[in-house]
Amino acid sequence: QLQLQESGPGLVKPSETLSLTCTVSGGSISSSSYYWGWIRQPPGKGLEWIGSIYYSGSTYYNPSLKSRVTISVDTSKNQFSLKLSSVTAADTAVYYCATGATVTSSDIWGQGTMVTVSS
Amino acid sequence: QSALTQPASVSGSPGQSITISCTGTSSDVGGYNYVSWYQQHPGKAPKLMIYDVSNRPSGVSNRFSGSKSGNTASLTISGLQAEDEADYYCSSYTSSSTYVVFGGGTKLTVL
Repeated sequence: QLQLQESGPGLVKPSETLSLTCTVSGGSISSSSYYWGWIRQPPGKGLEWIGSIYYSGSTYYNPSLKSRVTISVDTSKNQFSLKLSSVTAADTAVYYCATGATVTSSDIWGQGTMVTVSS
Repeated sequence: QSALTQPASVSGSPGQSITISCTGTSSDVGGYNYVSWYQQHPGKAPKLMIYDVSNRPSGVSNRFSGSKSGNTASLTISGLQAEDEADYYCSSYTSSSTYVVFGGGTKLTVL
């Protein structure tokens, strides 16, 4: 059974880069035709799709974040990662990694990690 | 403002059925059969309940069903149970450069 676990700093300073990693266990990130993505949820608000990477390496980003976002895969570590640059307080949220057979249907999620942007 | 429109809240009594709507446009909900529904309990990660408009992942109760008519998708929960009380989000593929859009979420209260 595939499982995902997010990791990374819980506090990031304004203007710096937020970096998170999602470790995949129970299967290989490169052997499945899955989308590997990131979704975030500001406190008390709804879900926002950040972007996804297909197992082939193709990436898809939310245009509102595209200029600041990079999603990549490290097959040697069975991980995928998120980098969000020039963060502000508006980027404070719970960040989830998730995967699924289509970009819209993520059936496996990590538990989420809270990231606060503050000096 | 979310790209997909959901009612902020719905409620129902145990045993009853409720329907949550998700309204988009012909560029998303109406144009593709890639609508998903997620259930989220407080402090927990979302759980996929319906994908591709009306398909249930393995392990999801058949009390949950999905449908679509025009630009509006719907999630119906029959035989309401206390454990169904949660937030529900719809999402859809969109032909705009956004790729994926979510609804604002609907809080379901089981009375």
